[in-house]
Amino acid sequence: GQNIDQPTEMTATEGAIVQINCTYQTSGFNGLFWYQQHAGEAPTFLSYNVLDGLEEKGRFSSFLSRSKGYSYLLLKELQMKDSASYLCAVRSNYQLIWGAGTKLIIKP
Amino acid sequence: GAGVSQSPSNKVTEKGKDVELRCDPISGHTALYWYRQSLGQGLEFLIYFQGNSAPDKSGLPSDRFSAERTGGSVSTLTIQRTQQEDSAVYLCASSLVWGENTEAFFGQGTRLTVV
Repeated sequence: GQNIDQPTEMTATEGAIVQINCTYQTSGFNGLFWYQQHAGEAPTFLSYNVLDGLEEKGRFSSFLSRSKGYSYLLLKELQMKDSASYLCAVRSNYQLIWGAGTKLIIKP
Repeated sequence: GAGVSQSPSNKVTEKGKDVELRCDPISGHTALYWYRQSLGQGLEFLIYFQGNSAPDKSGLPSDRFSAERTGGSVSTLTIQRTQQEDSAVYLCASSLVWGENTEAFFGQGTRLTVV
């Protein structure tokens, strides 16, 4: 079967750094996506990795290791507005397979 | 259009009635996805279209649910004889499947309440 695992919930402090992990087992792999979803809103695209390594985009970075079926999203200098769910998704044979999301709670 | 458009944004219906939800994807996007999301939960996959065909309908919860897509563009999700457990936000997303920019773009969803 196809499976994506992420922690259900994480808590971090404003100004700190947090790493959200994602592991996947899919029949195919054409890229991995991270999305942010604020409560009551639709998910919005954050990052895309298709090759191994780190992609940096401002305060957010995403890492991929295809051999390990592993990715992480790194958020630096956390702000209260970063409180949201973070969804990991893998494109497998042109479909998108989604994790259940990690709810990130930021405390002052 | 500029983004994925869904209508209606909110729908309240009586138990047993049929409802039709509409999704207008981004022009040129061949892939279209329907998801259901209950409060505080993750995305529940319903159906995936590639063009007008649906290679994967495995997520449709029952035979009361059906979807179609015409002209490789607009899609409708129909729920017959609605039940209270159908209450959720129904999200539509579209994407390209080839090239570098294959991220999915989501509409704002239809909030369905069955009373």
